[in-house]
Amino acid sequence: SAVISQKPSRDICQRGTSLTIQCQVDSQVTMMFWYRQQPGQSLTLIATANQGSEATYESGFVIDKFPISRPNLTFSTLTVSNMSPEDSSIYLCSVEALSTGELFFGEGSRLTVL
Amino acid sequence: SQKIEQNSEALNIQEGKTATLTCNYTNYSPAYLQWYRQDPGRGPVFLLLIRENEKEKRKERLKVTFDTTLKQSLFHITASQPADSATYLCALEFPGRRALTFGSGTRLQVQP
Repeated sequence: SAVISQKPSRDICQRGTSLTIQCQVDSQVTMMFWYRQQPGQSLTLIATANQGSEATYESGFVIDKFPISRPNLTFSTLTVSNMSPEDSSIYLCSVEALSTGELFFGEGSRLTVL
Repeated sequence: SQKIEQNSEALNIQEGKTATLTCNYTNYSPAYLQWYRQDPGRGPVFLLLIRENEKEKRKERLKVTFDTTLKQSLFHITASQPADSATYLCALEFPGRRALTFGSGTRLQVQP
């Protein structure tokens, strides 16, 4: 299993500002995934972050808006840039257990943009 | 296009009954399908994975079936308890994507 810590757990931000979310895993993992969960909705994959390479973004998500860093095998950050109220959401970091294929999730970062 | 469909309406059942949730998918035959539980304000928690060559899988009070002909998975909770109240998500790995795609989830409410 993997234990994932996310910071901040929640934040209230002003329109036009940026926020960086941190994700720390208690073991080394190759891939980390960033999901977004808008109110009342399911999870939508933003990007896959591999250590040592550029993140791979899903359709509808771009690097300028959601830059991702992956400096080592246990840590990643997601920045939500130039925020608008539409970015209000829960952002979730996850990693995959290669032996079983299951995903482990952090508790999420609840972002409210005013 | 590839889609995962879960009943968006909440399922309300009495304690002790069996809850059955449905997950349908289109245009693809996945190698496996997963079910997760999500409580309000928490990240999803893995419950079960069933592979395409498995018709049924059980874990304690949970049972999952996988019908690749119907393109459907059923998730059962027997002897349901109020503590089972949560949103249940099914997820697949579609071809060309290295991450899971989640259904919209079904909220289960077990009444005491």
